Amino acid sequence: RKEVEQDPGPFNVPEGATVAFNCTYSNSASQSFFWYRQDCRKEPKLLMSVYSSGNEDGRFTAQLNRASQYISLLIRDSKLSDSATYLCVVNRGGGSYIPTFGRGTSLIVHP
Amino acid sequence: EAGVVQSPRYKIIEKKQPVAFWCNPISGHNTLYWYRQNLGQGPELLIRYENEEAVDDSQLPKDRFSAERLKGVDSTLKIQPAELGDSAVYLCASSLDLAQGYNEQFFGPGTRLTVL
Repeated sequence: RKEVEQDPGPFNVPEGATVAFNCTYSNSASQSFFWYRQDCRKEPKLLMSVYSSGNEDGRFTAQLNRASQYISLLIRDSKLSDSATYLCVVNRGGGSYIPTFGRGTSLIVHP
Repeated sequence: EAGVVQSPRYKIIEKKQPVAFWCNPISGHNTLYWYRQNLGQGPELLIRYENEEAVDDSQLPKDRFSAERLKGVDSTLKIQPAELGDSAVYLCASSLDLAQGYNEQFFGPGTRLTVL
């Protein structure tokens, strides 16, 4: 089983739709979690951190479920500009800091 | 403020040749990361530096890959000799101070390596 797993998609949705991605992780000692966005042939950029209490930034909401070992990203009112790959990042805990990326989930928002 | 700088942006070499990538992190960032990203995959950590000290290099293929960050600022990643399977994008990232919890990573544009 991979340490961090994501459905690669693509998720093909119309503008204005709500879409959600999940990311599961295998190491229960993982301590910090992030969502990065990567546009085609560009470098990844931080979208948001994921806190235990959940957090929201405009149309984006991230949640952490430690019991089931997954994080989620919800995008409301999708825009064409949201089309990108969304990478889940899990930092291994237990005294070691190794950021592990998922393979990413591709989102295509169409008119 | 300048972001993470990498060079070259593209490199095409024949197998068995050596190649080197250079990275200059954001000023003041003491943590530097080298990743490899294959098509359709997420970045895979190769090595992480805290200042000039290499930590977390367990995923660096040490038979052919080497890295250095001599003065704790810029860094070089080398492959010698390159193999066909090394074709990928090599990304460098930096973060402010991991020990203080500042772990947002800022990525450079990457070097796209093609081995023929």
